[in-house]
Amino acid sequence: ELKVEQNPLFLSMQEGKNYTIYCNYSTTSDRLYWYRQDPGKSLESLFVLLSNGAVKQEGRLMASLDTKARLSTLHITAAVHDLSATYFCAGVQGAQKLVFGQGTRLTINP
Amino acid sequence: DAGITQSPRHKVTETGTPVTLRCHQTENHRYMYWYRQDPGHGLRLIHYSYGVKDTDKGEVSDGYSVSRSKTEDFLLTLESATSSQTSVYFCAISETREPQHFGDGTRLSIL
Repeated sequence: ELKVEQNPLFLSMQEGKNYTIYCNYSTTSDRLYWYRQDPGKSLESLFVLLSNGAVKQEGRLMASLDTKARLSTLHITAAVHDLSATYFCAGVQGAQKLVFGQGTRLTINP
Repeated sequence: DAGITQSPRHKVTETGTPVTLRCHQTENHRYMYWYRQDPGHGLRLIHYSYGVKDTDKGEVSDGYSVSRSKTEDFLLTLESATSSQTSVYFCAISETREPQHFGDGTRLSIL
């Protein structure tokens, strides 16, 4: 059974700083997803990582996947307040079944 | 934005009452999903559908049933609501594989 764990669960940082959110998963997952959720809102798809060594970037966010280590990272570069949100990673178990991590609540202070 | 509408958006009800949540899509996607979101758990899959009248259980299906009589509608029913089912419920749709688009959620409180 796939288990997905994120850390940290809470992260408070200052604008302009860099930081990384980690996503560990317990068994093989063919794909790894990252989502963003603003308070009271739906989930917005950020990245899907399809293979070992995959790296995707969008603005100040960069996601990577190491299938051998069963680890994905979401790196934030020079954080800005607008990136404050909760970020989820999710692996795939079987067909059509996403297994989510607990989420990382990111607060970026001016 | 993908055409997904969840109704109601908020509901407060009492333990033991039946509750039905509706997910309506205008994208004609094959797959539809129901998730619940609770603090510390992320989202957990309740049930999903891979076509009209074709459904399967997710990891937290106990106490829930679903129906899909039309491509565009996926209903989630709590036959006899319990306080442990207080949660935020999200519907999602996809043309292939895993969920691609999520609805805005239904906040359900069971007193």
